[in-house]
Amino acid sequence: AQTVTQSQPEMSVQEAETVTLSCTYDTSESDYYLFWYKQPPSRQMILVIRQEAYKQQNATENRFSVNFQKAAKSFSLKISDSQLGDAAMYFCAYRSFSNSGYALNFGKGTSLLVTP
Amino acid sequence: DTAVSQTPKYLVTQMGNDKSIKCEQNLGHDTMYWYKQDSKKFLKIMFSYNNKELIINETVPNRFSPKSPDKAHLNLHINSLELGDSAVYFCASSQGQTSSNEQYFGPGTRLTVT
Repeated sequence: AQTVTQSQPEMSVQEAETVTLSCTYDTSESDYYLFWYKQPPSRQMILVIRQEAYKQQNATENRFSVNFQKAAKSFSLKISDSQLGDAAMYFCAYRSFSNSGYALNFGKGTSLLVTP
Repeated sequence: DTAVSQTPKYLVTQMGNDKSIKCEQNLGHDTMYWYKQDSKKFLKIMFSYNNKELIINETVPNRFSPKSPDKAHLNLHINSLELGDSAVYFCASSQGQTSSNEQYFGPGTRLTVT
């Protein structure tokens, strides 16, 4: 089974600054999908960004971008111009391309605190 | 319009009881899931259904039984509840066999077993 590791249990950033959340994963597959989900205190799970492993170009969604290093099996999330509303738990997730029922395999999460 | 809804959102019950959590999605998706989030916020897949057929059944006690009466519904029934079952349970759905498709999550059901 694929494992997803988020080595930073907590991170802190000042408003308007940039922060990077780390994620590494272990897999023997060549094709797969990676996701970052956000869980604010409301506990709703919200998709932030996704990356297909066969695409070399890093995904970007407004202030959110990823640094996908396939050989290193690394998938970090960069949040630019941080806002108070970005405070949440962030989960990195892996999804197999070919099997495992399409379920998401999550890391343990990083709690992001945004200070004024 | 709620895409994925769960009822109830909060459930407090005693050990040994039997309870159900209901999930409905109005997105026309053909795949639905149950995830469990423990007290340390770790999320783990429990079950996955595609077109009403079970395709994932992780190592979950057989006290947990999913039921999918149709593609829009996936209910979770739990027998003989134990203290360790206390968690937040999320239902989710997605469309098709394409892994890049987003999974839409329900609001979660916080189950507390006393």
